[in-house]
Amino acid sequence: KAGVTQTPRYLIKTRGQQVTLSCSPISGHRSVSWYQQTPGQGLQFLFEYFSETQRNKGNFPGRFSGRQFSNSRSEMNVSTLELGDSALYLCASSFLTDTQYFGPGTRLTVL
Amino acid sequence: QKEVEQDPGPLSVPEGAIVSLNCTYSNSAFQYFMWYRQYSRKGPELLMYTYSSGNKEDGRFTAQVDKSSKYISLFIRDSQPSDSATYLCAMSAGVNAGGTSYGKLTFGQGTILTVHP
Repeated sequence: KAGVTQTPRYLIKTRGQQVTLSCSPISGHRSVSWYQQTPGQGLQFLFEYFSETQRNKGNFPGRFSGRQFSNSRSEMNVSTLELGDSALYLCASSFLTDTQYFGPGTRLTVL
Repeated sequence: QKEVEQDPGPLSVPEGAIVSLNCTYSNSAFQYFMWYRQYSRKGPELLMYTYSSGNKEDGRFTAQVDKSSKYISLFIRDSQPSDSATYLCAMSAGVNAGGTSYGKLTFGQGTILTVHP
């Protein structure tokens, strides 16, 4: 089976812009979780989607949002970018939500 | 205090050494315990998955969970230079714990391991 794919792999934006990241889960996986990884805070949970519904959300501001489509593909959006949003954004898919398989990530740089 | 504490290292060992990586946690609801390996500029790769207390072995890797002490370990035998990476412990309360646990893994900070020839 193909693994989790994320696009784009690298992104450079300026403060105030918005960005949309995409994640395609492993075939048959219906749960997609998103994480932010920074050197200072490590991996932090953003939110999880299952069958197009957000079931859980981490402690991030409302500028961070997401959605899931009927084919389980997911997108996350960050509006009004801040310098502190520079990070590696990882998505993970799961058939049973306790075993998650990660994609390669999207490295976002905010200038 | 973080829910999951992990010594960030860095840890440097010679090839062939036994490596011990550890995490402690405070949330007694955690039931599922994982170890991930992350190479530079890559996503985390699942190494080991354990439910509740006990040991699990897979090749050169052994995972141990002691829920009474809230302590988990990963041992790597006969370490190789290709094992050089960041090792992350992760934990979950599981879906049966309710809504705030759905799809959420709580990670340690990661330990940077270098195995030199």
